[in-house]
Amino acid sequence: AQSVTQLDSHVSVSEGTPVLLRCNYSSSYSPSLFWYVQHPNKGLQLLLKYTSAATLVKGINGFEAEFKKSETSFHLTKPSAHMSDAAEYFCVVSFPRLTFGTGTRLQVTL
Amino acid sequence: GAGVSQSPSNKVTEKGKDVELRCDPISGHTALYWYRQRLGQGLEFLIYFQGNSAPDKSGLPSDRFSAERTGESVSTLTIQRTQQEDSAVYLCASSYVGGGNTGELFFGEGSRLTVL
Repeated sequence: AQSVTQLDSHVSVSEGTPVLLRCNYSSSYSPSLFWYVQHPNKGLQLLLKYTSAATLVKGINGFEAEFKKSETSFHLTKPSAHMSDAAEYFCVVSFPRLTFGTGTRLQVTL
Repeated sequence: GAGVSQSPSNKVTEKGKDVELRCDPISGHTALYWYRQRLGQGLEFLIYFQGNSAPDKSGLPSDRFSAERTGESVSTLTIQRTQQEDSAVYLCASSYVGGGNTGELFFGEGSRLTVL
């Protein structure tokens, strides 16, 4: 069985500081992994995806994530947070169907 | 169509009534998901259709919930005898799955259900 765990339900950072949103997964197969973002009152948008190519994946808005098989992790990072990054972030693992984590709410303060 | 289309976008109903929500996925997408999102919470998986395989219904919260999909086209989610705790946004998403590829999910705008 597959599962995905987002280790933090809420993360608060200051604008201009790095962002780290943690995600661990378990899967019996080589999974595809995704990060989605949901801004307030908006739909879900794909940030980036890993599908067994390069382990470091670059996404939109300066986000990136690194697939670490030994740690079964797919943490999302950004070097410098912006106020517009405040949103809910979901880590997703697939095979055979996509399973969402419970989400991490990112707060960005001045 | 250009994207995943859901209707109605908003539905207000009285407790005990039945409601039907519709999802029109992107043409050619073999996989279709229904999720529920309560206010301020994450996505709760409801049901998954993939091609002609038997659907994965493991997320349906009770026998009041059911969903159908005709081939690889439209899906309807039906909630019978609605309760106030059914109030949520119901999201539909589709993706192309084939040749070992599990593709990006494309979400509809959602159907906001309010049960009075």
